[in-house]
This record gives sequence, C-alpha cells and structure tokens, in this order.
Amino acid sequence: QKEVEQNSGPLSVPEGAIASLNCTYSDRVSQSFFWYRQYSGKSPELIMSIYSNGDKEDGRFTAQLNKASQYVSLLIRDSQPSDSATYLCAMNNAGNMLTFGGGTRLMVKP
Amino acid sequence: DTAVSQTPKYLVTQMGNDKSIKCEQNLGHDTMYWYKQDSKKFLKIMFSYNNKELIINETVPNRFSPKSPDKAHLNLHINSLELGDSAVYFCASSQVAFGELFFGEGSRLTVL
Repeated sequence: QKEVEQNSGPLSVPEGAIASLNCTYSDRVSQSFFWYRQYSGKSPELIMSIYSNGDKEDGRFTAQLNKASQYVSLLIRDSQPSDSATYLCAMNNAGNMLTFGGGTRLMVKP
Repeated sequence: DTAVSQTPKYLVTQMGNDKSIKCEQNLGHDTMYWYKQDSKKFLKIMFSYNNKELIINETVPNRFSPKSPDKAHLNLHINSLELGDSAVYFCASSQVAFGELFFGEGSRLTVL
C-alpha cells in the first residue's frame, strides 16, 4: 500500500461547481499536510497547509483534515477553467520526510 | 526575481555521460532538496540538505551526488547516466525541514 493515495482522475467538473479532491494516508503519526497545484509542464506550488483536524478555508479553497479516518481533502468552490491542473497531496511521515501522492488531475469545463 | 532557480531547464544527453544541475535559492531558507518526478508524475525525495549538511539521503544510486557549497546552493551531479534517469528533477527549499516547500522550475533530463 502506498503511503499517500490519490485517485489519479481525471476529475471533470463544470465551471462554477465544487471540485472535491481526496487523499488518504497510511502513517498515523503524520502531523503536517499540504496541497500543491501543478500545471502541466510547471513546478508544484503550495495552495494550502493544514495541521489540525477540521476545516481550513482560504478564498475558494477549503482543506479538511480527519486524522482518525486518515484522510485529507481539498474543496475548490466556484471552479474555474484556470483551476485545471494536477493537485498533489503531501504530508510529513514518521521519518520526517515529505511524501507526495501521485496527484489527481482536475479538469474544469467551461 | 526567481526565488528558487535551477539550470539547465532542459538536458538531452547520451547514456554513460556525466551531467550536473545547479540550484540556487534567494529566500534565505535553511533547507534545500532534490526531488525526482517520473513519467507517472510521482515526486520522490532524493536528497535534503539543512544548512549545508546532508540530513536525508534516500535510496538513490551513488551515481547521484549532491553538493552544497553554501546554504543557498544545492547542486546535483550524475555520473554514468542511464535511460531510467530520464525524469524531471526539481530543486526546492523550505524555511524549516520538510515544512512548506518552494520549488524551482524543474530540469527535464532526457537520456538517449
């Protein structure tokens, strides 16, 4: 089992809808969780970080963390075509390494 | 002003050659990294340097050797290149070890 699992997608949503991206992890001691966005041919850029259970909102983005169920999700409200990218989930594990999931490709259709 | 810059952006070379990729950050961060992203888009840590000292060396072949002349620079040298080394190599930095990462633009290496 991979340490960080994401559905590779593509996840297709219409413009204006809510996109929901999910990530599960196997290491219960993970403490810090991150969402990165990567456009095709570009480098990953940090969107959100979350460290405690619950929701964290930043503009159109909401990160949700549930440590008991070992998942973290990213909601994108009012999705725009410019949100079309691959979204990478990452977390610190017991070895204090930052481990990335394989990413979910999001397509927002006008 | 680019925060994390790496050169070259593209590298095409023959098997068996030796090549280097350079990375510089102007963010004042203490920790720098090299990640490899393969064709399936998985990002895997290769090396991490904290204030010029190696703190993690994942199971990469010893043909790969990182060098950090100072905390703003982390270079990657690769000997005897193999076909499987073809990938995009990302340099990154962070204020604290394995905190929020800032990535360079990537260096696409193609080994023929």
